[in-house]
This record gives sequence, structure tokens and C-alpha cells, in this order.
Amino acid sequence: QVQLVQSGAEVRKPGSSVKVSCKVSGGTLSNLAIAWVRQAPGQGLEWMGGIVAVFGAVSYAPRFQGRLTITADESTTTAYMELRSLRFDDTAIYYCATDMAWFDPWGQGSLVTVSS
Amino acid sequence: EIVLTQSPGTLSLSPGERATLSCRASQSVSSNYLAWYQQKPGQAPRLLIHGASSRATGIPDRFSGSGSGTDFTLTISRLEPEDFAVYYCQQYGSSVTFGGGTKVEIK
Repeated sequence: QVQLVQSGAEVRKPGSSVKVSCKVSGGTLSNLAIAWVRQAPGQGLEWMGGIVAVFGAVSYAPRFQGRLTITADESTTTAYMELRSLRFDDTAIYYCATDMAWFDPWGQGSLVTVSS
Repeated sequence: EIVLTQSPGTLSLSPGERATLSCRASQSVSSNYLAWYQQKPGQAPRLLIHGASSRATGIPDRFSGSGSGTDFTLTISRLEPEDFAVYYCQQYGSSVTFGGGTKVEIK
């Protein structure tokens, strides 16, 4: 059974970057796709992008193009999401999820707080 | 981009009652590529339904999904105490978008 375990909470200053990890257990990235979704405080879900590591294929939601990089390391079965040029409104819980077109299962979430 | 509009924003019901949640798309969702998720406070979302009407593994049969094209519905036949939560629809037929959510609260 696939499980996703994410890295811990982060605090960053505006203009800096953050990199969140998502460790996959019970499966390999050679047969999984990973999506990243974020949720601002009290708000809904927002798809950011995803990766199919075996094909080296990455897709990004248009609003994150140029600021977001999603990567994966098959040897450690870990996916990563790096967001640059952070703004206050990037404060959110960032989730990874196994992408089967629908998302299941999900990681526990990583809180990223952007504060000066 | 396909915009998903969920209604109502909040549904106030009592345990044992039937809940009907709507998700309307701004354009047709290809192949009924629509999913429903449940989210409780402090938890990650949980998949309930995919393909508009297929229940995910382990989801009780009181949850059912229906609809096609631009209009989709999630029905909870008899609300259990653990069903009070926020529900989101998601389309994955053209990129990925989520609806704004419906909160099901105890009346």
C-alpha cells in the first residue's frame, strides 16, 4: 500500500525559496505519478503541478510557471516541490498525492509560512 | 480552464438526513473525469469518488456520485456523525481544477 510522508513545516521570508519533499513508501516512482496541491488558510484546494518520473514529464499550472520546479529522485523514491520568489500569499499547506488522474493517497501536508 | 462551481456553500443537516451536493462545470468534463474528496479539519483530503460514480476503496456505500457533462452530484444517503466535513469536486479531463467546496455542518 502506497504511503506518502512529507517534510516538516517551514518558515521563509518573502523573496526566498522553499523545497518540500514527499517520500513514497510501498511503491516506486517508476510506476507512480505525483501531484502537488496547496491549500491557503481557510481556503480551497489548488493544483500546482505534477511529475511522471519514469518519462521525465512535468506539468505546471500556468500561474506557477517560472516559479515552481517539481523533481523526483527514483533512487530514494522521493519527489520534491520547490517554489521560488515566495510571497505572503504563498502561505499554505502543501500536499503531495499519488496522481492516478484522481489523487489518492495524499501526504499529510507541509505547512509553509511566509513571514518577514 | 474549466471552472467548477459547488453549491450550496454550506449545508446544514442532521445525522440520518440525506445530503445532496452539486458541482457544475463551466464546460463539459470529458469522459466524466470527475472526482469527489472529503476533508476534515487538520487532515488531508480523502478520495471518495472517481470517474463521476466509482467509489474509492473502502468508501461506504452511503456515498454515491452521479452526473455527466457539466452537472455532477455527490449524495450521502444517511449522514453519519463522521460525515460532517468539507467536500470538494475535481475535474481531471482538461488539466486539473477543483471546486470551491461545500461544508456539511450539523444543524
